[in-house]
Amino acid sequence: QVQLVQSGTEVKKPGASVKVSCKASGYTFTDYSLHWVRQAPGQGLEWMGWINGGNGDREYSQKFHDRVTLTRDTSASTAYMELSSLTSEDTAMYYCARRYDSGWYDFWGQGTLVTVSS
Amino acid sequence: EIVMTQSPATLSVSPGERATLSCRASQSISSNLAWYQQRPGQAPRLLIYGASTRATGIPARFSGSGSGTEFTLTISSLQSEDFAVYYCQQYNNWTWTFGQGTKVEIK
Repeated sequence: QVQLVQSGTEVKKPGASVKVSCKASGYTFTDYSLHWVRQAPGQGLEWMGWINGGNGDREYSQKFHDRVTLTRDTSASTAYMELSSLTSEDTAMYYCARRYDSGWYDFWGQGTLVTVSS
Repeated sequence: EIVMTQSPATLSVSPGERATLSCRASQSISSNLAWYQQRPGQAPRLLIYGASTRATGIPARFSGSGSGTEFTLTISSLQSEDFAVYYCQQYNNWTWTFGQGTKVEIK
């Protein structure tokens, strides 16, 4: 069965960076793209970007394009999201999600809570 | 950017009643729309894609309709496990945006 398992809770200080992992299993990693979505406490879902599991092509939301880096390790079937220059406004749950076909997300990771606090 | 607007923000419904949720796109997105359910403390779950196709394992009481800019998610008879937040998402032309969500609460 398809599973996306994310790394654990992170606590960071303002100005630091965080790197979240998303390990895929149950399907061929290179056949699908993975998207990243975040959710601030009590708020809605915000799209951050995506990476093609096969060729590594990626695209970022304009809001994050200068602070986020998406990478993947095909040998480990794992995608990574690194966010730099953290502020308290980056405190959120970060999700990876597999994109099916042209655009919907059929499987989601369990989420990684990132807390930014001095 | 395509803006998705959901209404109402909160919907109070009694168990067994019907719930109707709306989602409007700022420009035509054809049928490139998905609905997700998010229960407290959980990741979102895909309910509907292609505006009207139920995802695997989703009960028949969930149905989606619409195309272009106006979309509806209907839950025909609310069960206790259906009280949650629902998000629409457009995926038209290699862009992805979510609505702000509708919370379905017990009346």
